Amino acid sequence: DAKTTQPPSMDCAEGRAANLPCNHSTISGNEYVYWYRQIHSQGPQYIIHGLKNNETNEMASLIITEDRKSSTLILPHATLRDTAVYYCIVRVDNQGGKLIFGQGTELSVKP
Amino acid sequence: DAGVTQSPTHLIKTRGQHVTLRCSPISGHKSVSWYQQVLGQGPQFIFQYYEKEERGRGNFPDRFSARQFPNYSSELNVNALLLGDSALYLCASSLSTRRAGELFFGEGSRLTVL
Repeated sequence: DAKTTQPPSMDCAEGRAANLPCNHSTISGNEYVYWYRQIHSQGPQYIIHGLKNNETNEMASLIITEDRKSSTLILPHATLRDTAVYYCIVRVDNQGGKLIFGQGTELSVKP
Repeated sequence: DAGVTQSPTHLIKTRGQHVTLRCSPISGHKSVSWYQQVLGQGPQFIFQYYEKEERGRGNFPDRFSARQFPNYSSELNVNALLLGDSALYLCASSLSTRRAGELFFGEGSRLTVL
C-alpha cells in the first residue's frame, strides 16, 4: 500500500502557482520523497525528489516540513500542459526500480 | 537521444492467449522495470531486472515473467491471459539499482484482452 495521502483533485488557474500537498506521516528517516506526474496517455515523468532540505529544479520546487511528515510540490507558473495526475511517493534509495504509486492528485490547469 | 521505447503500442488478445511485450531502455541504462497500470489506478510494480538478473518482483502471479538481454533490452511475457490483464504496461529504465528513484518511463503498451 502507498504510504502517502494526496487530495484526489485540484484546480489551478493558468499562470498561477500550483501547490500540491502530500501527507507522509509514517515516513522513515532514510526514505526520500519523490514526485512524478503522468499526462494523459503517457508514461509517468520524474519531477523532483528530496530527503530533508527543500529542493528546486527547472520544473518545480519541493518543500518538506521540518518533521518530514508532509511536503508540497510547487509549480511556480502553471500552464495548460501541466494538467496531469501528480504522484507523491516515499521510498528508500536502494529499492531499485520499485516505486509504489498511490492514486495521486489530478491537477486541472484552467485558462 | 532516444528515450525508452516499447512495442507494440497497442494490441488485442483473447482470453487464454499469450503476449510478449518489448522494451528498449535509454542508452547506457542497465536497469529495466515493468509496471501494470489498470484504468483509473496508479502503476503497479511487476519486475525489475538489472544486468540480466531479476532484482525485484511485485505481487503478480507466475503467469507473468520477464527477462533482460545482453543489450539490456527486456521482454515481459504474460501467459493464459485473463480479462483482468487488460491494462497499460509500462517499462522504465534507470542507470543502476542504487539511487534509482529517477526512472524514465516509456509510453507503454496498451493490452486489451477480449
